[in-house]
Amino acid sequence: AQSVTQPDIHITVSEGASLELRCNYSYGATPYLFWYVQSPGQGLQLLLKYFSGDTLVQGIKGFEAEFKRSQSSFNLRKPSVHWSDAAEYFCAVGASNAGNMLTFGGGTRLMVKP
Amino acid sequence: DTAVSQTPKYLVTQMGNDKSIKCEQNLGHDTMYWYKQDSKKFLKIMFSYNNKELIINETVPNRFSPKSPDKAHLNLHINSLELGDSAVYFCASSQGSARYYGYTFGSGTRLTVV
Repeated sequence: AQSVTQPDIHITVSEGASLELRCNYSYGATPYLFWYVQSPGQGLQLLLKYFSGDTLVQGIKGFEAEFKRSQSSFNLRKPSVHWSDAAEYFCAVGASNAGNMLTFGGGTRLMVKP
Repeated sequence: DTAVSQTPKYLVTQMGNDKSIKCEQNLGHDTMYWYKQDSKKFLKIMFSYNNKELIINETVPNRFSPKSPDKAHLNLHINSLELGDSAVYFCASSQGSARYYGYTFGSGTRLTVV
């Protein structure tokens, strides 16, 4: 079965600084990978996804993520964080043998210092 | 227009009561889901319906019963509510395979059992 680990529960960065949120997955074949953002009191919004092709994918709100098969990782990055980026971020994996089910990591809470 | 809407947004109820949460999507998607998010933000799938047919039924107490009157609606009925049922419940939908396109989430229903 597939699984996702987000090693960092909390991350604090200063506004304007760069950001990298880590995501490691476990799955035997090529995974289908997603990043979602959840603002307080809101549902989850899709930031970006990867399932084939270029391993560097661009998403909304200036985010990007890079798929590294050798490291089983799909880390999310942003070059300059804005205060409005403070939220909970979830990595998710879909597998070809899991039908339509996505498995989510435990989330990383991002706090932004002024 | 809200794509995936859930009602109510907040639900406070006493132990032992029966309650329902409703979900509707206007995206024309053919698959709908219920996820439970616990107090630590962990997201776990409960059910999935494809064109009114149950396709995923994870290990949840049988006090939880999903109902899909048509492919645009997926309701969740909970009998004999317990304190441990307190959580945020998210409805989501997808078109085709979720592993390619991901989910569109509703804004969640925060259930508090007292």
